[in-house]
Amino acid sequence: RKEVEQDPGPFNVPEGATVAFNCTYSNSASQSFFWYRQDCRKEPKLLMSVYSSGNEDGRFTAQLNRASQYISLLIRDSKLSDSATYLCVVRGDNYGQNFVFGPGTRLSVLP
Amino acid sequence: DAGITQSPRHKVTETGTPVTLRCHQTENHRYMYWYRQDPGHGLRLIHYSYGVKDTDKGEVSDGYSVSRSKTEDFLLTLESATSSQTSVYFCAISEAGLSYNEQFFGPGTRLTVL
Repeated sequence: RKEVEQDPGPFNVPEGATVAFNCTYSNSASQSFFWYRQDCRKEPKLLMSVYSSGNEDGRFTAQLNRASQYISLLIRDSKLSDSATYLCVVRGDNYGQNFVFGPGTRLSVLP
Repeated sequence: DAGITQSPRHKVTETGTPVTLRCHQTENHRYMYWYRQDPGHGLRLIHYSYGVKDTDKGEVSDGYSVSRSKTEDFLLTLESATSSQTSVYFCAISEAGLSYNEQFFGPGTRLTVL
């Protein structure tokens, strides 16, 4: 089993739709969680960190469920500019620098 | 955007030649990383550094070496490039002591080994 797994995608949704991505991780000692977005042929960019209580940033909401070891990302009112690959990233512990990347889920928002 | 640059941005080389990629940061972050990204594999860690002259291996370190003689520079060397090392290479930085220690990435280097 891979350390970090994501919905395989791709997701093709119309503008204005709500879309949710899921991510599961295998290391129960993981401490930090992130969502990055990556545009085609570009570097990954931090979208948001995922806090234990869940957090929201505009149209984006991230949730963490430690008991089930999964993380979710919800995008509301999708825009064309949201089209990208979304990477789930898990860090092993607070002292190490072991960032593990999921394979990514591709989102295409269609006009 | 974090101050991270990579050079060169594109390189084509031949099998058996040595190649050095450079990552330069202006953020004074302690940790620096080299990843490769290939279709079907996602981002995989090659080597990382936790300080000047302090480095460690990652998941796919065979065939690669690194050096960090200054805080701001982290070099990745392919001693004798092979076609399997054709990839996109990303450098990243992060800072210790921050509760969430996010990583920030450079723009990447596209390497083709013929």
